[in-house]
Amino acid sequence: KQEVTQIPAALSVPEGENLVLNCSFTDSAIYNLQWFRQDPGKGLTSLLLIQSSQREQTSGRLNASLDKSSGRSTLYIAASQPGDSATYLCAVFNDYKLSFGAGTTVTVRA
Amino acid sequence: DAGITQSPRHKVTETGTPVTLRCHQTENHRYMYWYRQDPGHGLRLIHYSYGVKDTDKGEVSDGYSVSRSKTEDFLLTLESATSSQTSVYFCAISESRSAGPYNEQFFGPGTRLTVL
Repeated sequence: KQEVTQIPAALSVPEGENLVLNCSFTDSAIYNLQWFRQDPGKGLTSLLLIQSSQREQTSGRLNASLDKSSGRSTLYIAASQPGDSATYLCAVFNDYKLSFGAGTTVTVRA
Repeated sequence: DAGITQSPRHKVTETGTPVTLRCHQTENHRYMYWYRQDPGHGLRLIHYSYGVKDTDKGEVSDGYSVSRSKTEDFLLTLESATSSQTSVYFCAISESRSAGPYNEQFFGPGTRLTVL
């Protein structure tokens, strides 16, 4: 059974600091890894998807890396802003489904 | 944003009553999913569909059934609701392509269900 772990569970940083969010998974036989953002009481917004053959993916201030062999992914958010405050979820796709981590709740202080 | 709507958005019902949640998409994606999100358990897959009339169970399917008679609609039914089914339910869609993102999933806004 795929287990996905996200560390830390919560993070508070001052505005402008770079954010580093970690995700690890136990079964490396994945098709892809997806990072989501969830605001309180809202649905999930897809941020980045990394195919299993890729090492990283970038979108604006966001960069995600994938090391499939070691079962790790890292999401970097550059120059954080208060609007980046949310819960960030990592999910891996294998065996027909997405398996989710519990998320990292980020607070960016103005 | 992907064209996914869920109805109703909020529902309060009593134990033992049947409940049906609807997911509607305008993207013509092949795959559709139902998840539930609970504190301490995260998001878990209930059922999924890989085409019209083609469905399969996820990891927490007991007490739930699904139907997909059209590409755009995926229904989740709680035959006899229990308090343990109080949760937030999310629908998601995806498409597999020979080129481009493989199975990127897009989520609907969610339905908050309370079973008293």
